[in-house]
Amino acid sequence: ELKVEQNPLFLSMQEGKNYTIYCNYSTTSDRLYWYRQDPGKSLESLFVLLSNGAVKQEGRLMASLDTKARLSTLHITAAVHDLSATYFCAVDNKAAGNKLTFGGGTRVLVKP
Amino acid sequence: KAGVTQTPRYLIKTRGQQVTLSCSPISGHRSVSWYQQTPGQGLQFLFEYFSETQRNKGNFPGRFSGRQFSNSRSEMNVSTLELGDSALYLCASSRGTSGRRVAWETQYFGPGTRLLVL
Repeated sequence: ELKVEQNPLFLSMQEGKNYTIYCNYSTTSDRLYWYRQDPGKSLESLFVLLSNGAVKQEGRLMASLDTKARLSTLHITAAVHDLSATYFCAVDNKAAGNKLTFGGGTRVLVKP
Repeated sequence: KAGVTQTPRYLIKTRGQQVTLSCSPISGHRSVSWYQQTPGQGLQFLFEYFSETQRNKGNFPGRFSGRQFSNSRSEMNVSTLELGDSALYLCASSRGTSGRRVAWETQYFGPGTRLLVL
């Protein structure tokens, strides 16, 4: 059974500093996703990572994938208040069909 | 392009009742998946429908069911509601190419239906 673990569960950030969220998964995955969720809202797709060594960047967020280590990281550069949200990673694989298995989420709070 | 829509947005029911939630996918998307989000269990996959057929199913009891119509709209039904069914129910759509998976495909989530069971 595919399992996904994120850490930390909660991250208190200071504006202007850099932080990393980690996502480990247990078995071979086809794709790894990062989503953002604001309180009371739905999930917004941030990145889809498809292959080993993949790196994607959007603004202050950068995601990378190491399939050998079964690890993805979401790096936040120079945090700003607007990045406060909960971040989820999710994986799927051919054996599981079009089913996403989510990590527990990392709640990010950026303080001035 | 309109996103995924879900109705209703909020629902209050009592134990033992049943409920039907609706999801309209992005135009052209043929796959609809349903997820349940609770503080305790997080985000869990319920089922996926593609071309009116259930293609995948999560580990939920038979009280949870769904269907998909020819226009790709989907409904999920929960019968004999329990307090633990209180959750945010999210629907996601994707192109859902038949057979071979498309590497760049992603799932787009709707705003969710928040269900409270009293």
